[in-house]
Amino acid sequence: DAEITQSPRHKITETGRQVTLACHQTWNHNNMFWYRQDLGHGLRLIHYSYGVQDTNKGEVSDGYSVSRSNTEDLPLTLESAASSQTSVYFCATQREPDTEAFFGQGTRLTVV
Amino acid sequence: ELKVEQNPLFLSMQEGKNYTIYCNYSTTSDRLYWYRQDPGKSLESLFVLLSNGAVKQEGRLMASLDTKARLSTLHITAAVHDLSATYFCAVDVGSQGNLIFGKGTKLSVKP
Repeated sequence: DAEITQSPRHKITETGRQVTLACHQTWNHNNMFWYRQDLGHGLRLIHYSYGVQDTNKGEVSDGYSVSRSNTEDLPLTLESAASSQTSVYFCATQREPDTEAFFGQGTRLTVV
Repeated sequence: ELKVEQNPLFLSMQEGKNYTIYCNYSTTSDRLYWYRQDPGKSLESLFVLLSNGAVKQEGRLMASLDTKARLSTLHITAAVHDLSATYFCAVDVGSQGNLIFGKGTKLSVKP
Protein backbone atom coordinates (compact mmCIF):
# COMPACT_ATOMS: atom_id res chain seq x y z
CA ASP A 1 0.00 0.00 0.00
CA ALA A 2 1.14 3.52 -0.71
CA GLU A 3 2.09 5.42 2.39
CA ILE A 4 3.90 8.34 3.99
CA THR A 5 6.75 7.65 6.40
CA GLN A 6 8.47 10.03 8.77
CA SER A 7 11.74 9.32 10.50
CA PRO A 8 12.86 9.38 13.15
CA ARG A 9 9.70 9.17 15.26
CA HIS A 10 11.47 10.65 18.26
CA LYS A 11 14.65 12.68 18.49
CA ILE A 12 16.48 14.58 21.18
CA THR A 13 19.13 17.03 20.08
CA GLU A 14 21.19 19.81 21.54
CA THR A 15 20.82 23.51 20.94
CA GLY A 16 22.83 24.66 17.95
CA ARG A 17 23.00 21.32 16.17
CA GLN A 18 21.74 20.80 12.65
CA VAL A 19 18.88 18.31 12.47
CA THR A 20 17.15 16.76 9.48
CA LEU A 21 13.74 15.13 9.64
CA ALA A 22 12.85 12.78 6.82
CA CYS A 23 9.55 12.45 4.99
CA HIS A 24 9.07 9.79 2.32
CA GLN A 25 5.91 9.05 0.37
CA THR A 26 5.05 6.38 -2.14
CA TRP A 27 1.85 7.90 -3.56
CA ASN A 28 3.69 9.93 -6.18
CA HIS A 29 1.90 13.05 -4.94
CA ASN A 30 3.24 16.36 -6.16
CA ASN A 31 2.22 18.40 -3.11
CA MET A 32 4.10 17.94 0.13
CA PHE A 33 3.92 19.97 3.35
CA TRP A 34 5.62 20.28 6.71
CA TYR A 35 3.67 21.41 9.78
CA ARG A 36 4.55 21.77 13.40
CA GLN A 37 2.05 21.14 16.17
CA ASP A 38 2.30 22.88 19.51
CA LEU A 39 -0.13 22.94 22.38
CA GLY A 40 -2.42 25.91 22.02
CA HIS A 41 -1.42 26.63 18.43
CA GLY A 42 -2.89 23.83 16.40
CA LEU A 43 -0.82 23.04 13.30
CA ARG A 44 1.25 25.69 11.58
CA LEU A 45 2.70 25.45 8.10
CA ILE A 46 6.50 25.55 7.89
CA HIS A 47 7.36 24.84 4.23
CA TYR A 48 5.69 23.27 1.24
CA SER A 49 6.48 22.01 -2.23
CA TYR A 50 4.39 21.51 -5.36
CA GLY A 51 6.94 19.40 -7.16
CA VAL A 52 10.59 18.64 -7.79
CA GLN A 53 12.82 21.67 -7.29
CA ASP A 54 9.89 23.71 -5.97
CA THR A 55 9.92 24.91 -2.35
CA ASN A 56 7.96 27.66 -0.59
CA LYS A 57 7.91 29.24 2.83
CA GLY A 58 4.96 28.86 5.14
CA GLU A 59 3.88 30.97 8.08
CA VAL A 60 6.64 29.79 10.47
CA SER A 61 9.59 29.10 8.19
CA ASP A 62 12.36 30.94 10.07
CA GLY A 63 15.12 28.52 11.11
CA TYR A 64 13.93 25.78 8.76
CA SER A 65 14.73 24.75 5.21
CA VAL A 66 13.57 22.07 2.78
CA SER A 67 14.73 20.67 -0.52
CA ARG A 68 12.88 18.61 -3.12
CA SER A 69 15.19 16.63 -5.35
CA ASN A 70 12.65 13.93 -6.18
CA THR A 71 8.91 13.36 -5.90
CA GLU A 72 9.09 10.99 -2.95
CA ASP A 73 11.05 12.98 -0.37
CA LEU A 74 10.85 16.34 1.37
CA PRO A 75 13.42 16.49 4.18
CA LEU A 76 13.09 19.27 6.73
CA THR A 77 16.32 20.73 8.11
CA LEU A 78 16.73 22.78 11.23
CA GLU A 79 19.88 24.72 10.55
CA SER A 80 20.72 25.44 14.20
CA ALA A 81 18.24 23.87 16.56
CA ALA A 82 16.70 26.10 19.22
CA SER A 83 14.59 25.20 22.24
CA SER A 84 11.66 27.01 20.61
CA GLN A 85 11.72 24.35 17.91
CA THR A 86 10.79 21.62 20.36
CA SER A 87 7.57 20.38 18.83
CA VAL A 88 5.82 17.58 16.99
CA TYR A 89 6.44 17.77 13.26
CA PHE A 90 4.02 16.38 10.69
CA CYS A 91 4.64 15.82 7.03
CA ALA A 92 1.66 15.70 4.68
CA THR A 93 1.08 14.92 1.03
CA GLN A 94 -1.72 15.80 -1.32
CA ARG A 95 -2.39 14.50 -4.80
CA GLU A 96 -3.65 17.89 -5.96
CA PRO A 97 -5.46 20.90 -4.51
CA ASP A 98 -9.03 20.30 -3.36
CA THR A 99 -8.31 16.75 -2.29
CA GLU A 100 -7.63 15.42 1.15
CA ALA A 101 -4.13 15.68 2.54
CA PHE A 102 -2.59 12.60 4.16
CA PHE A 103 -0.45 13.03 7.22
CA GLY A 104 2.51 11.04 8.45
CA GLN A 105 2.77 9.69 11.98
CA GLY A 106 4.77 12.65 13.19
CA THR A 107 8.24 13.23 14.65
CA ARG A 108 8.56 14.39 18.22
CA LEU A 109 11.64 16.61 18.42
CA THR A 110 13.09 17.82 21.70
CA VAL A 111 15.85 20.42 21.71
CA VAL A 112 17.78 20.59 24.99
CA GLU B 1 -3.51 37.52 7.96
CA LEU B 2 -5.95 34.65 7.84
CA LYS B 3 -7.36 33.59 11.16
CA VAL B 4 -9.24 30.37 11.74
CA GLU B 5 -11.12 30.19 15.00
CA GLN B 6 -12.81 27.16 16.43
CA ASN B 7 -15.19 27.07 19.30
CA PRO B 8 -15.49 25.64 21.69
CA LEU B 9 -11.89 24.59 22.29
CA PHE B 10 -12.97 22.03 24.86
CA LEU B 11 -16.22 20.12 24.85
CA SER B 12 -17.42 17.54 27.31
CA MET B 13 -20.54 15.73 26.21
CA GLN B 14 -22.68 12.92 27.43
CA GLU B 15 -23.30 9.94 25.23
CA GLY B 16 -26.44 10.27 23.19
CA LYS B 17 -26.40 14.06 23.08
CA ASN B 18 -26.05 16.33 20.05
CA TYR B 19 -23.65 19.19 19.67
CA THR B 20 -22.04 21.47 17.09
CA ILE B 21 -18.47 22.66 16.70
CA TYR B 22 -18.01 25.96 14.91
CA CYS B 23 -15.21 27.07 12.64
CA ASN B 24 -14.99 30.73 11.63
CA TYR B 25 -12.39 32.13 9.27
CA SER B 26 -11.44 35.66 8.43
CA THR B 27 -10.95 35.75 4.68
CA THR B 28 -12.67 34.56 1.54
CA SER B 29 -12.35 30.86 0.89
CA ASP B 30 -14.56 28.06 -0.35
CA ARG B 31 -12.24 25.23 0.60
CA LEU B 32 -12.61 23.86 4.11
CA TYR B 33 -11.31 20.64 5.61
CA TRP B 34 -12.09 18.76 8.81
CA TYR B 35 -9.63 16.42 10.49
CA ARG B 36 -9.68 14.20 13.52
CA GLN B 37 -6.70 13.49 15.78
CA ASP B 38 -6.54 10.88 18.51
CA PRO B 39 -4.04 11.46 21.34
CA GLY B 40 -0.48 10.84 20.20
CA LYS B 41 -1.62 9.98 16.69
CA SER B 42 -1.63 11.48 13.25
CA LEU B 43 -4.44 13.43 11.62
CA GLU B 44 -7.22 11.63 9.80
CA SER B 45 -9.21 13.36 7.09
CA LEU B 46 -12.95 13.54 7.77
CA PHE B 47 -14.45 15.92 5.23
CA VAL B 48 -13.47 18.08 2.28
CA LEU B 49 -15.93 20.93 1.59
CA LEU B 50 -15.40 22.71 -1.69
CA SER B 51 -18.33 25.04 -2.27
CA ASN B 52 -20.84 27.26 -0.56
CA GLY B 53 -23.64 25.18 0.87
CA ALA B 54 -21.65 21.95 0.78
CA VAL B 55 -22.85 19.37 3.26
CA LYS B 56 -21.23 16.02 3.93
CA GLN B 57 -22.14 13.28 6.39
CA GLU B 58 -20.32 10.25 7.67
CA GLY B 59 -21.92 8.26 10.45
CA ARG B 60 -22.71 10.54 13.38
CA LEU B 61 -20.79 13.48 11.95
CA MET B 62 -22.09 16.06 9.50
CA ALA B 63 -20.13 19.02 8.18
CA SER B 64 -21.37 22.07 6.32
CA LEU B 65 -19.90 25.18 4.77
CA ASP B 66 -21.32 28.69 4.45
CA THR B 67 -18.76 30.72 2.55
CA LYS B 68 -20.75 33.94 2.80
CA ALA B 69 -20.73 33.75 6.58
CA ARG B 70 -17.18 32.30 6.51
CA LEU B 71 -18.42 29.55 8.76
CA SER B 72 -18.24 25.79 8.82
CA THR B 73 -19.94 23.56 11.34
CA LEU B 74 -19.32 20.00 12.46
CA HIS B 75 -22.46 18.54 13.95
CA ILE B 76 -22.33 15.51 16.18
CA THR B 77 -25.47 13.43 16.49
CA ALA B 78 -26.05 11.04 19.41
CA ALA B 79 -22.44 11.10 20.53
CA VAL B 80 -20.64 7.91 21.47
CA HIS B 81 -17.39 7.46 23.38
CA ASP B 82 -15.48 6.53 20.21
CA LEU B 83 -15.92 10.07 18.97
CA SER B 84 -13.67 11.39 21.74
CA ALA B 85 -10.76 13.08 19.93
CA THR B 86 -9.52 16.49 18.87
CA TYR B 87 -11.20 17.91 15.77
CA PHE B 88 -9.51 20.46 13.55
CA CYS B 89 -10.87 22.59 10.78
CA ALA B 90 -8.49 23.96 8.15
CA VAL B 91 -8.94 26.55 5.43
CA ASP B 92 -7.24 26.55 2.05
CA VAL B 93 -7.04 30.21 1.13
CA GLY B 94 -5.31 30.10 -2.21
CA SER B 95 -6.79 26.79 -3.40
CA GLN B 96 -3.26 25.46 -3.58
CA GLY B 97 -3.37 23.02 -0.72
CA ASN B 98 -1.80 25.23 1.95
CA LEU B 99 -3.96 24.70 4.97
CA ILE B 100 -4.36 27.13 7.83
CA PHE B 101 -5.60 25.22 10.85
CA GLY B 102 -7.77 26.20 13.75
CA LYS B 103 -6.50 25.38 17.23
CA GLY B 104 -8.70 22.33 17.50
CA THR B 105 -11.66 21.28 19.61
CA LYS B 106 -10.96 18.60 22.17
CA LEU B 107 -14.07 16.50 22.48
CA SER B 108 -14.66 14.18 25.39
CA VAL B 109 -17.75 11.96 25.32
CA LYS B 110 -18.67 10.47 28.66
CA PRO B 111 -21.14 7.72 29.50
